[in-house]
Amino acid sequence: QVQLVESGGVLVKPGGSLRLDCEASGFNFSGYYMAWIRQAPGKGLEWLSYIGRRGSPIYYADSVKGRFTVSRDNAKNSLYLEMNSLRAEDTALYYCAREDGEDYFDYWGQGTLVTVSS
Amino acid sequence: SYVLTQSPSVSVAPGQTATITCVGNNIGSKGVHWYQQKPGQAPVLVVYDDSDRPSGIPERFSGSNSGNTATLTISRVEAGDEADYYCQVWDNTSDHVLFGGGTKLNVL
Repeated sequence: QVQLVESGGVLVKPGGSLRLDCEASGFNFSGYYMAWIRQAPGKGLEWLSYIGRRGSPIYYADSVKGRFTVSRDNAKNSLYLEMNSLRAEDTALYYCAREDGEDYFDYWGQGTLVTVSS
Repeated sequence: SYVLTQSPSVSVAPGQTATITCVGNNIGSKGVHWYQQKPGQAPVLVVYDDSDRPSGIPERFSGSNSGNTATLTISRVEAGDEADYYCQVWDNTSDHVLFGGGTKLNVL
């Protein structure tokens, strides 16, 4: 069965950096676009980034462009999100999700919590 | 930039029909997808491409999309349908995924 497991979420100080990982299993990882989506406490869903099957194309939301970098390693069935210059407003549960090929997300992980606070 | 607008909440009695709308400029020209999110859980896709259902989603969930409004309809609402519902599109002008703000479905 399809599984997406995020990790790497921790408490980090403003201005700090962090890398989130998403390990995929149960499907041909290299055959799918992947995405990062976050949800601030008590708020709605916010898409952050898309990455194509072989690492391109890559798209970012305006809120994270220039600060966050998405990448993937198909040999390791893994998706990554490098986060720099973190702000309090980046505090959220971060999900990775599989894109089905028609711009929707058919599988989601359970999320990893990032807290940005001094 | 493109914006999707959802009502904050909808209330319905068990057995009745819930209608959740997603308003966007000419949204009828886009494919609209809907997610259900229960407290403490990840979102689940319930309708894709305006009106298709993933396997395992009950037929009670249906969708439509025309003009400036996309609609998720839940027939014969059950207590277990109480959740937040989000619409989503791909905006090919900005190359961005967009989510609506979400609608909380309250089952009375």
